[in-house]
Amino acid sequence: GAGVSQTPSNKVTEKGKYVELRCDPISGHTALYWYRQSLGQGPEFLIYFQGTGAADDSGLPNDRFFAVRPEGSVSTLKIQRTERGDSAVYLCASSITGDTEAFFGQGTRLTVV
Amino acid sequence: SQQGEEDPQALSIQEGENATMNCSYKTSINNLQWYRQNSGRGLVHLILIRSNEREKHSGRLRVTLDTSKKSSSLLITASRAADTASYFCATGQETSGSRLTFGEGTQLTVNP
Repeated sequence: GAGVSQTPSNKVTEKGKYVELRCDPISGHTALYWYRQSLGQGPEFLIYFQGTGAADDSGLPNDRFFAVRPEGSVSTLKIQRTERGDSAVYLCASSITGDTEAFFGQGTRLTVV
Repeated sequence: SQQGEEDPQALSIQEGENATMNCSYKTSINNLQWYRQNSGRGLVHLILIRSNEREKHSGRLRVTLDTSKKSSSLLITASRAADTASYFCATGQETSGSRLTFGEGTQLTVNP
């Protein structure tokens, strides 16, 4: 596609449930990033992939959060046992390499009730 | 406090005026990027400036970088109501690979 695509655009889930958020990066981009953003805050780094491997996962807040990118393209962010504090907009971005402009998707707004 | 802190937090100007937003950071960087965000959703990339560059232009946008002061500024000339948005700077640091660290943003309002 022309840009980074994230699905779903909105997700409401109950506390304790498991959710998966999907990101389709721009074709040919080897670097992929996940961020999350709370209202009135700047995006907070979660994890960075270079190809299939997680080059930096130091931003994942705890072991309930996990992300994969098995074929070096689409990535899935997985959150287990969701908590109300996980409610935020989850943003995905991709770039040609790790040192060039990053292009963001429209985000998935996750609401945990 | 966060790397990439924007100043001011909020700025309100009239259409046609220039808007200047500043960003300060703490550690050495590889590059600094400016983004715009409307309505709290996707960020739009504006400009990337590398640590060995001092100034870059793109249309009505001008970005400067002063690595000795660890600061950057974004100037929007002849502002339009459509420029109303939140503006973020993000730093790519030498010590943290390719992750970008964002500030809290500046909310710009351009009044028609």
